Amino acid sequence: GNSVTQMEGPVTLSEEAFLTINCTYTATGYPSLFWYVQYPGEGLQLLLKATKADDKGSNKGFEATYRKETTSFHLEKGSVQVSDSAVYFCALRSASGGSYIPTFGRGTSLIVHP
Amino acid sequence: GAVVSQHPSWVICKSGTSVKIECRSLDFQATTMFWYRQFPKQSLMLMATSNEGSKATYEQGVEKDKFLINHASLTLSTLTVTSAHPEDSSFYICSAYRGRGTSTDTQYFGPGTRLTVL
Repeated sequence: GNSVTQMEGPVTLSEEAFLTINCTYTATGYPSLFWYVQYPGEGLQLLLKATKADDKGSNKGFEATYRKETTSFHLEKGSVQVSDSAVYFCALRSASGGSYIPTFGRGTSLIVHP
Repeated sequence: GAVVSQHPSWVICKSGTSVKIECRSLDFQATTMFWYRQFPKQSLMLMATSNEGSKATYEQGVEKDKFLINHASLTLSTLTVTSAHPEDSSFYICSAYRGRGTSTDTQYFGPGTRLTVL
């Protein structure tokens, strides 16, 4: 079946540091890959997505490249801000039994200090 | 952009009572909505898939008689927690696809409902 593995958190960084949150996946077929962000007390917001191999999703300074050869979709940002503190979820969707129910990773908490 | 709303955003109730949570797609029609439950510091657990005009599909281990789902229109799905108990306290999140739910469609999430059962 489908699965998503994210690095354990929390990730604690100083402002302006470089961020990488690793995400690897297992899926049948050709999944679409997503990163969602959840701020405290809120629902999830789509951060970026990539729908085919070698696609790069980007938004708000965050980037992730769909690597089929390594089954990875690592999230990166060159310079984090305090306002980036949140929980980040990697997810995939593929056709499994005719449905498109997404599979989420466990989430990685990011804490950015001034 | 597409927005999914939930009401209420938080609710406190006494043990044994029932609570209804509404999920609405505000500017698009959603034939399929999902209900998730999230425990503190944990990922989302899919509870059920709600299909407009038909019965919901529940995930294994989710009691359908306890978590009643009704998807009466293309913009509204409701989750009713019946005879709530303290262990039902959680953060409940709904989501909907804008489109037909293909693998490239964007999934929009509601802001969540915090349920506390005393």
